[in-house]
This record gives sequence, C-alpha cells and structure tokens, in this order.
Amino acid sequence: DAGVIQSPRHEVTEMGQEVTLRCKPISGHNSLFWYRQTMMRGLELLIYFNNNVPIDDSGMPEDRFSAKMPNASFSTLKIQPSEPRDSAVYFCASSLRQAGTGELFFGEGSRLTVL
Amino acid sequence: DQQVKQNSPSLSVQEGRISILNCDYTNSMFDYFLWYKKYPAEGPTFLISISSIKDKNEDGRFTVFLNKSAKHLSLHIVPSQPGDSAVYFCAASAQGGSEKLVFGKGTKLTVNP
Repeated sequence: DAGVIQSPRHEVTEMGQEVTLRCKPISGHNSLFWYRQTMMRGLELLIYFNNNVPIDDSGMPEDRFSAKMPNASFSTLKIQPSEPRDSAVYFCASSLRQAGTGELFFGEGSRLTVL
Repeated sequence: DQQVKQNSPSLSVQEGRISILNCDYTNSMFDYFLWYKKYPAEGPTFLISISSIKDKNEDGRFTVFLNKSAKHLSLHIVPSQPGDSAVYFCAASAQGGSEKLVFGKGTKLTVNP
C-alpha cells in the first residue's frame, strides 16, 4: 500500500519566492497534519484537517503560511513570500480519526532551503 | 513553552544492553502517549503507545512505562540492536489519542556493535 506521498523531496529557493509543498494522504484516512521539524523547535504541528476541514491552525507561524485541502486526497502548504528562517523539513501525516490510537503515518518530508 | 520534553539529545549504548529513553510532560490533560522512531531522510514511524489508564505497555523488545504522578514516561529497549539506532520522539495527546500530537525534540540513540 502506498504511504503518505510528499513532493518535492527537496526544494531550494531564494528569499521572497513562493513555495508550495504537496501531500497525498493514505487513502481512507480522514485526518491530515502538517508538521515542521527544525533543530531548535523539534517537530511542531502547523495545522491539521479533519474531513478536509481545517480544525486547528494555531501553529501556523504567520500569514505568510497557508494550507488547503481541496479534497480527501490532496493538500498543499504554501509559503509566500519565503524567508531564510522557513528553512526546515516539512512533514505531512495522515491518520484515521476513528481509530483513536493517535498513530500518525508520516511522509518522507520535504526539505526546504531558503537562501 | 515546551509541553513535552526530552532532556537528553543523545544516548549511546552497547549492543545487547538496555536503552532507556526518557520523556517528561507538563500538561496534566495529556492522556495518551506515543513513541516514534525516525531514521535519517525518512518520516517518523509509530513504535509504541500507552494510555493514561495504564502504567506499562510491552511490545517485544520495547516497553513504555508511565508515571503519571511524576508526569514522566520512559521507553526501554532490551536488548538493544544496531538497527535501533535512530532518533526517538516522545509524543502526547490530550484527546485520547485521536487528534493533535505534541512532540518532544527527540533523542538520538546510537547502538554500538
């Protein structure tokens, strides 16, 4: 079975450019999460969706960040304009909410470098 | 304000010995705890979990202990194997494990042959 698929795996861009990260969750999962990993802050939850609806976006750093989930099989995280401090690994994860196990299935991550 | 803390950034043990990874939390509303393992260039993968109604959960070589009064949990790996070398994240949830997980910063475990 395919796991969570993220693209791109690596992105190098210049400050001020728009960055779009993409995620395809596991089929049948109804919750989707965007996390960011940095050395300083570890794994931080940015936003999560349940049944394509944003439930909690309190972790989104600022208005430059936005996330959408137009359907059950696709989500995007957009940064516009990007800044060097946005450099991090961004993980998408999905889960089956009804399972109640707390088990998230993570993608391999998108490593973003903003110069 | 970190709600889940892993105070040891790294740990090194010999193959065959016990590895003990520790985690402390501050939010008394947390009622479900998980450990994830992460290899380089991969996403974290679920390892083991425990509900706050229990104080111990075992799965093969992995055992998680929960001390609610101390707001502390630990992961024991016995015996440790070189393939266990990875970063281990402790995570907690305040909603019975159904939603939002708060992660610690991780502990890098190295198991030496």
